[in-house]
Amino acid sequence: KAGVTQTPRYLIKTRGQQVTLSCSPISGHRSVSWYQQTPGQGLQFLFEYFSETQRNKGNFPGRFSGRQFSNSRSEMNVSTLELGDSALYLCASRRSGEYTGELFFGEGSRLTVL
Amino acid sequence: AQRVTQPEKLLSVFKGAPVELKCNYSYSGSPELFWYVQYSRQRLQLLLRHISRESIKGFTADLNKGETSFHLKKPFAQEEDSAMYYCALQEAGNMLTFGGGTRLMVKP
Repeated sequence: KAGVTQTPRYLIKTRGQQVTLSCSPISGHRSVSWYQQTPGQGLQFLFEYFSETQRNKGNFPGRFSGRQFSNSRSEMNVSTLELGDSALYLCASRRSGEYTGELFFGEGSRLTVL
Repeated sequence: AQRVTQPEKLLSVFKGAPVELKCNYSYSGSPELFWYVQYSRQRLQLLLRHISRESIKGFTADLNKGETSFHLKKPFAQEEDSAMYYCALQEAGNMLTFGGGTRLMVKP
C-alpha cells in the first residue's frame, strides 16, 4: 500500500502570495488531518477532515483553510503568506472516523516564505 | 494551555546507558497517550500507545495517572535510537495534541 503522499515537497513563496498544498491519504483512509511543524512551536494541529467535512480546527487564523474531496484527497490553502508561515506542513491519515488508532504521516511539504 | 509537556528539548546519552524521555500531560478525562518517533529523513511514525502495554524496540511507557505522566524508557540505548520523540495526547472527540518533542542523541 502506498503511504500518504504530499505535493509539492518543497516550495518557495514571497510574502503576500498564497499557496495550495495537496495530500493523498492511504487508500481506504477517510480521515485526513494537517499539522504545522516548526522548530519553535513543534507540531501544531491545523484541521481535520472526514467525509469531506471539517470536524476539528486548530487555533490558526482564517488565512489557513482546507477542504477534502470525495476521494478523500485533501488540500490546504494559506492566503496572504507571512514570513512566520515558513514551516513543514504535515498531512496524516487515519483509517476510520473514530478518534482512536494510529495516524499515518506523509513526508511533508516544506514551505519557505521570503 | 499546553496539554502535553516534554521538558527536555535534547537528551544525550551514551550507548548502553538507560534512557528516560519525560512526558507530562494535562487532561481531566481518561487520556489516550502515544509516543511518536521521527528518525532522520523518515516520516513521523507511531512508536507505541499506552493501551497496548507493549514494548517496541525495547521501549516501554507507563501511564501514571497520579503524576499525569507517560515517560518513555529503555534500559540500554542504541545508536539507532537517535531520533526526535514526540509524546501525544488523544482527547475524546478531538485530534492528537503533540508535545514539543525531545531530540535523543545516543553517542557511541
